[in-house]
Amino acid sequence: DGGITQSPKYLFRKEGQNVTLSCEQNLNHDAMYWYRQDPGQGLRLIYYSQIVNDFQKGDIAEGYSVSREKKESFPLTVTSAQKNPTAFYLCASSKTSGGLYEQYFGPGTRLTVT
Amino acid sequence: ELKVEQNPLFLSMQEGKNYTIYCNYSTTSDRLYWYRQDPGKSLESLFVLLSNGAVKQEGRLMASLDTKARLSTLHITAAVHDLSATYFCAVDAVIQGAQKLVFGQGTRLTINP
Repeated sequence: DGGITQSPKYLFRKEGQNVTLSCEQNLNHDAMYWYRQDPGQGLRLIYYSQIVNDFQKGDIAEGYSVSREKKESFPLTVTSAQKNPTAFYLCASSKTSGGLYEQYFGPGTRLTVT
Repeated sequence: ELKVEQNPLFLSMQEGKNYTIYCNYSTTSDRLYWYRQDPGKSLESLFVLLSNGAVKQEGRLMASLDTKARLSTLHITAAVHDLSATYFCAVDAVIQGAQKLVFGQGTRLTINP
């Protein structure tokens, strides 16, 4: 079955620690995205990547970092510089050609920092 | 800057009633998507609308797109409790050379027995 996986589902960390969230897809999509969602809010774009070894900042990139060494994988690191990291993090992927750019979402990782 | 605005943001309705959620956007686009999100869950794709006048229906939900008016609607017919969720529209546009989705704020729909 093709899809997107994120791990872990729940993550608890102490303030001051960096933490890395995993996102893997086997849909053969070129583009991958990270979003943050706060309670009762919409989605905000953190980073996106349209091709391996290249990525761009989204609307709220400060305090986050990413890498794209493989087409299938787009991990997100939440650094200690992120002032309010507790949130629900969603990874998505899409095609970049063919005219249909629907994004498919993973199940999400809920991060709690205390 | 592309803006996508949904209204209402909160909607409480009774089972059996009809209602419409509106999604307005501020730039030219002929691709719009509707997603559903249940509490604590990820986003599930509902409809993909790819041209002016597109209409898609699935069960009690029907979505339409008017690209000239820059408006999409999600119509709920004879609502049932299982449709309680948050609904997002998202507009597909090229921003700073990259294809992106810009999401509305979401409409939290509660259907009461």
